[in-house]
Amino acid sequence: DAKTTQPTSMDCAEGRAANLPCNHSTISGNEYVYWYRQIHSQGPQYIIHGLKNNETNEMASLIITEDRKSSTLILPHATLRDTAVYYCTHYMDSNYQLIWGAGTKLIIKP
Amino acid sequence: DSGVTQTPKHLITATGQRVTLRCSPRSGDLSVYWYQQSLDQGLQFLIHYYNGEERAKGNILERFSAQQFPDLHSELNLSSLELGDSALYFCASSVAPHQPQHFGDGTRLSIL
Repeated sequence: DAKTTQPTSMDCAEGRAANLPCNHSTISGNEYVYWYRQIHSQGPQYIIHGLKNNETNEMASLIITEDRKSSTLILPHATLRDTAVYYCTHYMDSNYQLIWGAGTKLIIKP
Repeated sequence: DSGVTQTPKHLITATGQRVTLRCSPRSGDLSVYWYQQSLDQGLQFLIHYYNGEERAKGNILERFSAQQFPDLHSELNLSSLELGDSALYFCASSVAPHQPQHFGDGTRLSIL
């Protein structure tokens, strides 16, 4: 079955870089990796996505391994407001259905 | 603000009743997705519509149905409600399938 695997929880000190890993070994060759986060019970927020190359935007950077079986989301200077559950996802083949795991609960500590 | 509007924000009703949740996608987005999130659980995909047509179905109960109208807004209908249907229901939209999804603030449904 297609799925993603992430650590259940992580801590990071405020101002430091937060590195969140994800394993997506079942991803198809032409499917993008997407990262979202959910703060409390708000709607998930799109962060970034990528296919093969590393990507960067105003929120984060995404590093994808050459074999595409895993990726790392990097928040370069974490703030308390980055405390959230972070989800790594991808579409299940051509089913137009995103695969959502349990996510990583990231806690930023002062 | 994601640009996706969901109404109502909160809904309280009784078992056996029927409710309709509404979603207006971001301007220009043709795809609409519905998700259910029970307390402290992950997101469960329910259904996806693209430009008025159903594109994918997840573990959506037969008591639940959805549609996307010509103006692209969508409605999720939940009938014969049970206590276990209490959850947050999120709508998301994207320009097209396989594009980043943008989520609304959700409808919190409480069944008494």
